[in-house]
Amino acid sequence: EVQLVESGGGLVQPGRSLRLSCAASGFTFDNYAMHWVRQAPGKGLEWVSGINWSSGSIAYADSVKDRFTISRDNAKNSLYLEMNSLRSEDTAFYYCAKDEGYYIDYWGQGTLVTVSS
Amino acid sequence: QSALTQPRSVSGSPGQSVTISCTGTRSDVGAYNYVSWYQQHPGKAPKLMIYDVSKRPSGVPDRFSGSKSGNTASLTISGLQAEDEADYYCCSYAGDYTFVFGTGTKVTVL
Repeated sequence: EVQLVESGGGLVQPGRSLRLSCAASGFTFDNYAMHWVRQAPGKGLEWVSGINWSSGSIAYADSVKDRFTISRDNAKNSLYLEMNSLRSEDTAFYYCAKDEGYYIDYWGQGTLVTVSS
Repeated sequence: QSALTQPRSVSGSPGQSVTISCTGTRSDVGAYNYVSWYQQHPGKAPKLMIYDVSKRPSGVPDRFSGSKSGNTASLTISGLQAEDEADYYCCSYAGDYTFVFGTGTKVTVL
């Protein structure tokens, strides 16, 4: 059974940093691209960033480019999102998601990031 | 990277059909046959319902179907059931390893 478990969310002040982690299990992690998708409370889904199996291809939404960094450790079956210069508009549930070839087939339960002073 | 446009809400009675549109551009929906649809119940993670425009994952009822014409994709739910009441989001590959989601549609079963 595929499982994606996010961690690292919490309350952080504007301008500070936070690192999210996603522990993957139930599939061969290093065979698949992975993504981060976020959802502000009561709002829609927003694709944030994606990384291919080898970390050779990485992409970001314009809204987070130059502030967020996606990475993965295939030896640890883990995905990460380093978030810097956080803003109030970054407040959202952050979902870790598995790619199955141009679509997401599995989602984690999400971790809440709240940016507030 | 503008969000794809979906109607804010659609509704139907049990047994009826509803269709949700998802309008993008020549750079996303119109460029690739990589449109997917997700169902999200309150407080839950999204669930894949349709991928590659019209393919259904195993376990998804055949009441759900997808199509695309030009820059607009559509999700149709036939034989609407109470458990179909949820938010629905489309998503399209947009090139250079980027994706874009739709604005979301709330489906209400009357």
